[in-house]
Amino acid sequence: AQSVSQHNHHVILSEAASLELGCNYSYGGTVNLFWYVQYPGQHLQLLLKYFSGDPLVKGIKGFEAEFIKSKFSFNLRKPSVQWSDTAEYFCAVNTGTASKLTFGTGTRLQVTL
Amino acid sequence: DGGITQSPKYLFRKEGQNVTLSCEQNLNHDAMYWYRQDPGQGLRLIYYSQIVNDFQKGDIAEGYSVSREKKESFPLTVTSAQKNPTAFYLCASSITVSGNQPQHFGDGTRLSIL
Repeated sequence: AQSVSQHNHHVILSEAASLELGCNYSYGGTVNLFWYVQYPGQHLQLLLKYFSGDPLVKGIKGFEAEFIKSKFSFNLRKPSVQWSDTAEYFCAVNTGTASKLTFGTGTRLQVTL
Repeated sequence: DGGITQSPKYLFRKEGQNVTLSCEQNLNHDAMYWYRQDPGQGLRLIYYSQIVNDFQKGDIAEGYSVSREKKESFPLTVTSAQKNPTAFYLCASSITVSGNQPQHFGDGTRLSIL
């Protein structure tokens, strides 16, 4: 069975600091990778996704993620965070043909002014 | 606006009662899903449905039941057999069952035991 690990449970950054959130998955076949964000009081929404092609994918609000197949990783990055990026971030994976997602445990990001 | 509507937002249940959480979508999506979110555990899949009149168990289906009589509706019943039902429940949908289709989520229902 596939699994997803997010090692950073709670991250606190000052505004303008750079962000990198780790995500590792365990599955040897073809995968689709997602990052979702849950802002306080809002529903879960898609930040970015990787299916194939360029392993560096760009999403909304200046976020990007890099798929490194050899490391089974899909880390999320942002060069300069803003206070409005305070949220919980979830990495998720499914296999090539099945839509049901396996989520990581989430990383709570707190950005201070 | 198209989207997923979950109701109610907050739900309280007495011990031994079954409760049903509503999920409706007007996105014309074939696939629908129910997840449970607990602090520190992320989202775990309860049930999913690829098409009307069909559904499959997810990772934590025990104590739950679903139906999919209409494309737009996928209600979840939390039965008295679910030993720890207090959680945040999220409904989602995707265009098809294909793995490269992102899921769209509702606002969730928070269930508490009185």
